[in-house]
Amino acid sequence: GENVEQHPSTLSVQEGDSAVIKCTYSDSASNYFPWYKQELGKRPQLIIDIRSNVGEKKDQRIAVTLNKTAKHFSLHITETQPEDSAVYFCAASKGDYKLSFGAGTTVTVRA
Amino acid sequence: DAGVIQSPRHEVTEMGQEVTLRCKPISGHNSLFWYRQTMMRGLELLIYFNNNVPIDDSGMPEDRFSAKMPNASFSTLKIQPSEPRDSAVYFCASSFLGPYNEQFFGPGTRLTVL
Repeated sequence: GENVEQHPSTLSVQEGDSAVIKCTYSDSASNYFPWYKQELGKRPQLIIDIRSNVGEKKDQRIAVTLNKTAKHFSLHITETQPEDSAVYFCAASKGDYKLSFGAGTTVTVRA
Repeated sequence: DAGVIQSPRHEVTEMGQEVTLRCKPISGHNSLFWYRQTMMRGLELLIYFNNNVPIDDSGMPEDRFSAKMPNASFSTLKIQPSEPRDSAVYFCASSFLGPYNEQFFGPGTRLTVL
């Protein structure tokens, strides 16, 4: 099955700096890559996703990039704010029901 | 819409007891997922239903776990007998099946088995 690796496991950034989280996947048939944000004690929520026919997607301060050849994708958060502190999960799917999640990255934004 | 609803939000029980977790998916969604989240294993898919039919239960840990979906608006996950290693947060999620469709998670049930 699909194996998704996520790095780093923890990330501490100064408010206003950028944060980058990287994921790799193993199954070349995967074509959908969502990112979920989980605040402490809350549910995971989708923040952005990218499909394999697109190399980059941006939504305000967050962006995702995809390199199909290398089978890796990344989440970029610019101008980080305290409310960006959370656990972020990447996932990969073949466009069917099954999401294979990475282990998560705990992001802490220091004021 | 109230989103995915789960109950109870917290459950503390003793080893050997039966535990039943409940989920109401978002109206109109035809796919329902049960996940388990632990520090050690992250988010694991336990079972997936489509149109109330279990499609993939390969993630169900063992026979002590069972899940049902008697209708489009209700699902249960039962653990019998419960063990301390079952302690985790259990999430239910729903979506409308199609390529690239977002899964909406419920608030989760934090289960502690003593």
